Amino acid sequence: GQNIDQPTEMTATEGAIVQINCTYQTSGFNGLFWYQQHAGEAPTFLSYNVLDGLEEKGRFSSFLSRSKGYSYLLLKELQMKDSASYLCAVRFTGGGNKLTFGTGTQLKVEL
Amino acid sequence: GAVVSQHPSWVICKSGTSVKIECRSLDFQATTMFWYRQFPKQSLMLMATSNEGSKATYEQGVEKDKFLINHASLTLSTLTVTSAHPEDSSFYICSAQTGTNEKLFFGSGTQLSVL
Repeated sequence: GQNIDQPTEMTATEGAIVQINCTYQTSGFNGLFWYQQHAGEAPTFLSYNVLDGLEEKGRFSSFLSRSKGYSYLLLKELQMKDSASYLCAVRFTGGGNKLTFGTGTQLKVEL
Repeated sequence: GAVVSQHPSWVICKSGTSVKIECRSLDFQATTMFWYRQFPKQSLMLMATSNEGSKATYEQGVEKDKFLINHASLTLSTLTVTSAHPEDSSFYICSAQTGTNEKLFFGSGTQLSVL
């Protein structure tokens, strides 16, 4: 299978910065996505990386290193509403454009 | 962004009955839609890829006779859970792309509870 690994849980303080890591098998890589999912709701798109480097979008940034099979999602100026599950998803060639999701990282933001 | 509508949002049914879930792309045509299942505190597991005008492609371990998928038009895909049992209780989510290699847009999900 195409394993995608993320930490299961993380806790951070309001106003702080948190980095959520994701590693994946490099063979056939064709793009990486980050989604945010609140409990009982559908995932919402955060970012997309297909080339190496950092993509910044407001308080959220995502980094990709294709050679290392590694990505991270960086959340700055954390707010309570950022408490959610963050899903790393990878598209592999030959997979018909489907996404394979990691197990998700449950982030808890505390005061 | 593109809008994907899914309904019902939740359904409770008796064991042995069938349940149909609809997924519509409202402002774009989706030749491919994806159906995922998610158990509590777990990630999304792809069940099948729904292709307009052809048979769905099911992931390993997913029973095609139990989870019937129909993609009759470029804007509508349906998932029917046949003879539902309590172990089928889960959150079912559909998604669609606006084009090849584009991001997925998700429906709002359907929480199925089988009694």
